[in-house]
Amino acid sequence: DTGVSQNPRHKITKRGQNVTFRCDPISEHNRLYWYRQTLGQGPEFLTYFQNEAQLEKSRLLSDRFSAERPKGSFSTLEIQRTEQGDSAMYLCASSLAVDNTGELFFGEGSRLTVL
Amino acid sequence: AQSVAQPEDQVNVAEGNPLTVKCTYSVSGNPYLFWYVQYPNRGLQFLLKYITGDNLVKGSYGFEAEFNKSQTSFHLKKPSALVSDSALYFCAVRDSTNAGKSTFGDGTTLTVKP
Repeated sequence: DTGVSQNPRHKITKRGQNVTFRCDPISEHNRLYWYRQTLGQGPEFLTYFQNEAQLEKSRLLSDRFSAERPKGSFSTLEIQRTEQGDSAMYLCASSLAVDNTGELFFGEGSRLTVL
Repeated sequence: AQSVAQPEDQVNVAEGNPLTVKCTYSVSGNPYLFWYVQYPNRGLQFLLKYITGDNLVKGSYGFEAEFNKSQTSFHLKKPSALVSDSALYFCAVRDSTNAGKSTFGDGTTLTVKP
């Protein structure tokens, strides 16, 4: 069990550029979640997948954000035309969904700074 | 809609004293409740959860939490605090009818002084 892995750990970009983050979940976990966390706030739900299907997407997520999990394993989160307000820590988590009771296993996050 | 409130941004206790970190929640269906801890420069780690059954649940590192349905609370407790317990603690709720979305509180910073 190597845990949830996120890359890159830090990304600095200029406003208007596109960025992509990758998440590798724990191998046997079929659910994968993306959260966003800003300083002084708790993690904010963005979206989640069960296997390759994206089952829920936050209404707060603008059209500039897109997430994929093409083979039900790793996932990518892309932010297009970044804005300064996108600066945050992007967290990935996974869980084994036998039922709805499973806890989340988090990666260490990808920190985005938009200049 | 579901929500979590952690009314204290910061809790300070002396080593060896009991600690309590408060959490209240709101959810439409039956709640699944979780506590996570975040150490500096580390990812969130699961501590304990309440799903059903006994209202007092025990978790990692000697922590426990009590589910109180009438008060919609799930306070985190430990009988004797350690300096190493100093960290950021998050309470989270999930509606039993919704597999996906866990809603987190804004966190409580626990500082245990020697």
